[in-house]
This record gives sequence, structure tokens and C-alpha cells, in this order.
Amino acid sequence: AQSVTQPDIHITVSEGASLELRCNYSYGATPYLFWYVQSPGQGLQLLLKYFSGDTLVQGIKGFEAEFKRSQSSFNLRKPSVHWSDAAEYFCAVGGRGATNKLIFGTGTLLAVQP
Amino acid sequence: DGGITQSPKYLFRKEGQNVTLSCEQNLNHDAMYWYRQDPGQGLRLIYYSQIVNDFQKGDIAEGYSVSREKKESFPLTVTSAQKNPTAFYLCATRGGARSYGYTFGSGTRLTVV
Repeated sequence: AQSVTQPDIHITVSEGASLELRCNYSYGATPYLFWYVQSPGQGLQLLLKYFSGDTLVQGIKGFEAEFKRSQSSFNLRKPSVHWSDAAEYFCAVGGRGATNKLIFGTGTLLAVQP
Repeated sequence: DGGITQSPKYLFRKEGQNVTLSCEQNLNHDAMYWYRQDPGQGLRLIYYSQIVNDFQKGDIAEGYSVSREKKESFPLTVTSAQKNPTAFYLCATRGGARSYGYTFGSGTRLTVV
């Protein structure tokens, strides 16, 4: 079955510290992979995406993610967290066909301590 | 500016009533989607449409209905058959096959009173 697992429901980091949010997926073929961010009461904003090529992808707001096929993972990282990064983060996976839909993880809520 | 407009932002419904959530886009995207979001459950797909006058059920379509009469519009009706409709509803669009990313609206929060 196709699925996305975000094992950390809630993470708290100090401002300026590094961040890694975990994402593991189960998919029958090489998928498209995404990370989205959601502020309270808002829609989702795309942070970055992986389609093919370089397995380390750069996104907006200083985020990056690395696709590791052997581990079926697509972890999100940021070297230095800012208070404005506090939000909920969703990993998503989709197929390469035009009719394939995105499957979302359950999200990780990030809190940033001053 | 191109984008997705969801209205209203907040909606209150009495039990037994049908309500319709609006989703309008000016991105010229073919595919449109409705997701439901509940705390701790991520996003679950309700309905999607790849083209005008065609739509398919998602994972949790029971108690919901949609129409796609225009490319720009994909309204979602929450019927009285939906037993637990209180949730945050998100509309999304997707561009062509070369642009796989989804664009999301800002959502509608529906509360049953």
C-alpha cells in the first residue's frame, strides 16, 4: 500500500539550532516527493520537491531535503531555525502518471523556543 | 495575481443542513482537488477532477458531492449524510504533467453547531 510516515508528531527546537524532520514512504515505484508547510488556519505552501536527478534538493526559506532511495526516506533539514519557522510540516508522495494523486503524511508540528 | 480563492473562510452549519464550499481558481489548471484536514490525520482526499464535467471519488467521498461545470470552479457540498463534517477543508489545483506540484487555497473551516 502507498503511504507516508512522519514519525515525529511534535518537535521543539531552540532558535538557531539545526532541524531535521523525518519522512519515510512506501511506494511501488520511484515517486515524486514533496514537503509542504502550513501556518495555523492557512493553506499549504510548497517548500521543495524532488522529481529526479540530484538527490539533495534546495527549497525556499533555507530548507533542503535529501532523497535516499535505499531507506525510502526524504528528510527535511535546516541548519539554523528561525522563530518564524514554527508551523506544521507535511511530507507528500505522488506517482509519475498524470492522474496520480498526492498522499500526505500526518504532519509534524514544529515549535521554536527563543 | 493568479491563485485559488476559497470562500467562506469560516462556515457554521446546523445539523441536517447541506452547505456548499466554494473553490475558484484563475491559474488555468486542469486538475482540482478537495481535501479534508483533521488534527493528527493529515490531509485526506475527498474528490478530485482532472477535467471539466468529470470527477472521481477520493478516499473519503461519503457524505460529500461535487460538480465541475467550469474549469475555474470546483464547489464541494457537504450533505447531511456526512456524520462528522466539522473540519478544515482545503482546495488544491495541479498544473500540467510537467508541473506536478499542487497549489492550495487558504481553506474553509466548517463547524457544525
